[in-house]
Amino acid sequence: NAGVTQTPKFQVLKTGQSMTLQCAQDMNHNSMYWYRQDPGMGLRLIYYSASEGTTDKGEVPNGYNVSRLNKREFSLRLESAAPSQTSVYFCASTWGLAGLSYEQYFGPGTRLTVT
Amino acid sequence: KNEVEQSPQNLTAQEGEFITINCSYSVGISALHWLQQHPGGGIVSLFMLSSGKKKHGRLIATINIQEKHSSLHITASHPRDSAVYICAVRTEPGNQFYFGTGTSLTVIP
Repeated sequence: NAGVTQTPKFQVLKTGQSMTLQCAQDMNHNSMYWYRQDPGMGLRLIYYSASEGTTDKGEVPNGYNVSRLNKREFSLRLESAAPSQTSVYFCASTWGLAGLSYEQYFGPGTRLTVT
Repeated sequence: KNEVEQSPQNLTAQEGEFITINCSYSVGISALHWLQQHPGGGIVSLFMLSSGKKKHGRLIATINIQEKHSSLHITASHPRDSAVYICAVRTEPGNQFYFGTGTSLTVIP
């Protein structure tokens, strides 16, 4: 099992460009999450998907959109990148549905720089 | 506002020492997670607990729901334990995840 995979690992964008971060899991997990990690801030939840076909906003959703393409894949889109979106992005998945508490499995992260 | 506070922020220990990292939270939770982030950036879940105590090898995690406090203990610390340890809570109600800023641990041989 590959676990949780993310692409790309690194990306540099110019302000105003768009891109999609891809995430896939092969553990048959129901719930998937996108986080950003900034120095001194800790991880912050951007969006999550409790199950296939549903998505919900987290703590910092502005400037992002998500798509739960199927049970395996959950993508994060930046429509018009801004320097404030420079961060490390982590995707995670868990077996449980929202409201239940299960161990989270994290992807390796995507380091995004917006100039 | 910080829903999750960790202490200390940084910790240096000699190999073999007993280590304690603390986590306090201010919201109602359904579960608390302890995570380990390696120097290369990867994040691994160590524990998920909603009450009492759990033990994996040299790692022990405890939680006191009434006091809204959790501790992560490492016995007989080793240089390979050097990492950032992150506390996270899943809120109840609300179903949000909040993370502490992490405790950076360095274990010196």
